[in-house]
Amino acid sequence: AQSVAQPEDQVNVAEGNPLTVKCTYSVSGNPYLFWYVQYPNRGLQFLLKYITGDNLVKGSYGFEAEFNKSQTSFHLKKPSALVSDSALYFCAVTMGGGGNKLTFGTGTQLKVEL
Amino acid sequence: DVKVTQSSRYLVKRTGEKVFLECVQDMDHENMFWYRQDPGLGLRLIYFSYDVKMKEKGDIPEGYSVSREKKERFSLILESASTNQTSMYLCASSDGQGPPTQHFGDGTRLSIL
Repeated sequence: AQSVAQPEDQVNVAEGNPLTVKCTYSVSGNPYLFWYVQYPNRGLQFLLKYITGDNLVKGSYGFEAEFNKSQTSFHLKKPSALVSDSALYFCAVTMGGGGNKLTFGTGTQLKVEL
Repeated sequence: DVKVTQSSRYLVKRTGEKVFLECVQDMDHENMFWYRQDPGLGLRLIYFSYDVKMKEKGDIPEGYSVSREKKERFSLILESASTNQTSMYLCASSDGQGPPTQHFGDGTRLSIL
């Protein structure tokens, strides 16, 4: 079985400060990890994914994520937050195969304030 | 860009009605998915399809069925709607090259009265 945990329901950060949204996973094997963002009344938009190789993955809108196998984590980061980054963020994992079904975390609401 | 279109953004139905939610993708993707999204629960997979006329149950299939008669279209059916099926429903598609990125529609907010 595969699972994802996002331990924070909400993260607040001031504009211009670095932000981190946490994600840990549990799988029996090598995971493929994803981050998605959801703006109000919209579907999910893909930000970035880790498949293999370099542990630091760069994605859209200046976001990046670091895969840490020993800590089973895949935290989302951005060096300087913008008010427009305020949204709901989802981490997801798949083991591949079987239609590549994703298992999603419960989401973290990011609020960036002036 | 991949476009996944869900036929309705908002839908209000009555208990016991048969409800159809439609999803169309324009990228010739093999895989299509139906999720429901509820606050505090994230996204949960209802059904997915990896080819025409093929389907597999996800984590919460009870009370739902699906139909995929054409590659680009994937329908979710609530056989007899109940109030606990009030939710946001999201459709997604991906190609068969793993691990593929899923592309989402804008969702249908369904209310069952």
